Amino acid sequence: SQKIEQNSEALNIQEGKTATLTCNYTNYSPAYLQWYRQDPGRGPVFLLLIRENEKEKRKERLKVTFDTTLKQSLFHITASQPADSATYLCALLYNFNKFYFGSGTKLNVKP
Amino acid sequence: DADVTQTPRNRITKTGKRIMLECSQTKGHDRMYWYRQDPGLGLRLIYYSFDVKDINKGEISDGYSVSRQAQAKFSLSLESAIPNQTALYFCATSDTERVAYNEQFFGPGTRLTVL
Repeated sequence: SQKIEQNSEALNIQEGKTATLTCNYTNYSPAYLQWYRQDPGRGPVFLLLIRENEKEKRKERLKVTFDTTLKQSLFHITASQPADSATYLCALLYNFNKFYFGSGTKLNVKP
Repeated sequence: DADVTQTPRNRITKTGKRIMLECSQTKGHDRMYWYRQDPGLGLRLIYYSFDVKDINKGEISDGYSVSRQAQAKFSLSLESAIPNQTALYFCATSDTERVAYNEQFFGPGTRLTVL
């Protein structure tokens, strides 16, 4: 089955810096790759989607890249704020009906 | 009001008991999903349904069953609960009309403990 790797160690950064989170996968490249945010005690919330034929996608302070050769997606938050502190999950979609989630990386943004 | 609701939010039960977790949505979405989340393992898909007459197994369906009673309701049952089913369970929905985006909307989760 598909294996997805996200850094299990928390990422600690200073407010105002750019946070970069990594999602690596094995086997086949998905048709779509999504990023979600999860706060403690809550369900994940969808942030961004990038297709396999797209290299980069942006939304406000968020940027996602997708490299099917490296089998990797990078998720960037620029000008990070303490309110960005959360766990970020990547999800791979195959054929619109098979979803595989990573275990997430916890981001701590310190003021 | 929340668009995707789950009941109960917390449940403690004993090994061998039958448990039902319920999910309701007011988003009008046709697709519904059940996931479980374990520390270090991420979210894993248990079952999914694309409409009332469509039920599909996910990655880890053994020990679980589901029922899609209506477009807005999707229930997950544990016929005979065992301790390794202790986890956080999430229901999610998505809309076929937006399949190109396929963002899923998650409920608040049910924390299930099997003793």
